Amino acid sequence: GDSVTQMEGPVTLSEEAFLTINCTYTATGYPSLFWYVQYPGEGLQLLLKATKADDKGSNKGFEATYRKETTSFHLEKGSVQVSDSAVYFCALTPNTGNQFYFGTGTSLTVIP
Amino acid sequence: DAGITQSPRHKVTETGTPVTLRCHQTENHRYMYWYRQDPGHGLRLIHYSYGVKDTDKGEVSDGYSVSRSKTEDFLLTLESATSSQTSVYFCAISGDRGQNGNEQFFGPGTRLTVL
Repeated sequence: GDSVTQMEGPVTLSEEAFLTINCTYTATGYPSLFWYVQYPGEGLQLLLKATKADDKGSNKGFEATYRKETTSFHLEKGSVQVSDSAVYFCALTPNTGNQFYFGTGTSLTVIP
Repeated sequence: DAGITQSPRHKVTETGTPVTLRCHQTENHRYMYWYRQDPGHGLRLIHYSYGVKDTDKGEVSDGYSVSRSKTEDFLLTLESATSSQTSVYFCAISGDRGQNGNEQFFGPGTRLTVL
């Protein structure tokens, strides 16, 4: 069945460091891919998305490229800030139906 | 922000009591979902709805029931709460494909503690 696998956390980085959080998926056809962010005590918020192969989603300095050949959607940011400390979830929805599949989340802590 | 509210936001109850959580949306979206979030498990789907009176089970539906009598409201009921149902519960909504790219929007969550 459809699924998402993302790198285990927690991840701790110094401010201005480069961030990569890996995400790979299993799905038939061409799913839509998402990154969500969850700040402490809040619900999930959409960070970025991509709906077809080679699309690049971007928002707030974060980027992720839909790679069909490697079934990946890795999240990157060139220079993290303390305010980026949160839990990040990779997710997909298949190209038919309306179910969503989430990874287990990666906790990021950025220290000054 | 999508108009999704959950009530109550916090609840403490005792084992064996029934509990109902409410999700209310003002977006007129067709699909509504209930998830639970637990450490090490991420988000797990409990039930979802694809229209008024149309619901289906998710991967962790045992011990939970749902109802949707109006487009805007989706209720989650724990018939007889157990300590294993202590969790944070999130409601989410999404539209049809082509509507906001069918992404999900999440409510703020309900923290439930079963003693």
